[in-house]
Amino acid sequence: ELKVEQNPLFLSMQEGKNYTIYCNYSTTSDRLYWYRQDPGKSLESLFVLLSNGAVKQEGRLMASLDTKARLSTLHITAAVHDLSATYFCAVENSGGSNYKLTFGKGTLLTVNP
Amino acid sequence: ETGVTQTPRHLVMGMTNKKSLKCEQHLGHNAMYWYKQSAKKPLELMFVYNFKEQTENNSVPSRFSPECPNSSHLFLHLHTLQPEDSALYLCASSPNGVAGVFYEQYFGPGTRLTVT
Repeated sequence: ELKVEQNPLFLSMQEGKNYTIYCNYSTTSDRLYWYRQDPGKSLESLFVLLSNGAVKQEGRLMASLDTKARLSTLHITAAVHDLSATYFCAVENSGGSNYKLTFGKGTLLTVNP
Repeated sequence: ETGVTQTPRHLVMGMTNKKSLKCEQHLGHNAMYWYKQSAKKPLELMFVYNFKEQTENNSVPSRFSPECPNSSHLFLHLHTLQPEDSALYLCASSPNGVAGVFYEQYFGPGTRLTVT
């Protein structure tokens, strides 16, 4: 059974600081997704990482994937308040004929002025 | 309406009630999903439908009954629920749900369900 572990689960940081969220998973997968969820809102897709060594950047967020280590990171650079949200990683697994995502518990990020 | 919509956004029901959640996608997708999001637990996949056919039931209790009349609509019928079923129920869609083919999932805003 695929397990996805995120850490930390809670992250409080000051504006302007850098930090990294980690996502480890237990079985082989080549695809990993990062989502953002604001309170009361839907999950918004941030990054799709499709191969080993993939790195994607959007604004102050950068995501990377190491399939050999079964590890993805979401790096936050010079955080701003607007980045406060819950961030989920999700790993694709192909159980039978279906394309399925297994999610981590999420990291609640609070950026303080 | 665009994207994936869900109604109602909030629902309070007693354990003996019967209610339904509705999801509609306006993206022309062929796969739809129900997820349960409980406090302090990962998002859990409940059901998958591909081209209106149920292709995944992730050991969900029978008090949850999904229905997919067409590729654009997905329902979750609820009856005799328990308080531990209180959660955020999210619907998602993707172009299709075939394994091995990358298709991103698009999520609706969710229905916050409280069972009293």
